[in-house]
Amino acid sequence: SQQGEEDPQALSIQEGENATMNCSYKTSINNLQWYRQNSGRGLVHLILIRSNEREKHSGRLRVTLDTSKKSSSLLITASRAADTASYFCARGTNAGKSTFGDGTTLTVKP
Amino acid sequence: NAGVTQTPKFQVLKTGQSMTLQCAQDMNHEYMSWYRQDPGMGLRLIHYSVGAGITDQGEVPNGYNVSRSTTEDFPLRLLSAAPSQTSVYFCASSYSRVEYEQYFGPGTRLTVT
Repeated sequence: SQQGEEDPQALSIQEGENATMNCSYKTSINNLQWYRQNSGRGLVHLILIRSNEREKHSGRLRVTLDTSKKSSSLLITASRAADTASYFCARGTNAGKSTFGDGTTLTVKP
Repeated sequence: NAGVTQTPKFQVLKTGQSMTLQCAQDMNHEYMSWYRQDPGMGLRLIHYSVGAGITDQGEVPNGYNVSRSTTEDFPLRLLSAAPSQTSVYFCASSYSRVEYEQYFGPGTRLTVT
């Protein structure tokens, strides 16, 4: 299975609500990255969090990392219809490889 | 800057044919990689390069070759196409191999019949 596993697989919310998606991994990491993919497009980088960091913010995005539980979460606050996309976590290793999970598909209804 | 460019956008091949997917970046990035994405799934690493002249295998390298003769270009060659290689292929680059965001190209949608 993929080393980065997102949960839930799909999430549907109303505009204005918060969206939380989780990522678990199995082996040690150097960093963990979150990406967004709009339908049929390439991935866009959102946030990178290092293994010695616990929380990072970027605008409406908040990422947490718990290395003891080997998990991370991405919170999108006050969601908008434009946030509709698939979200992927990628585990980064010292060797430079990034391993992606299967993603969470977020639908934000206007 | 154009960022990461990929050609072609779409390609249909017959089983057994070979072809090269092109990838170029104009950001002077050291690290480049190729991924494939099958429907409803995440990206799987095919090959990557940490600099000109240096390449290595990812998770799913069989059936693919790469070379990195310049910093800018990182072509992916399909040696003998198979239906199992039907997928969307993404090229990505980053400043360094560790702790830097990856920039992705728009993808090449490949169908092998």
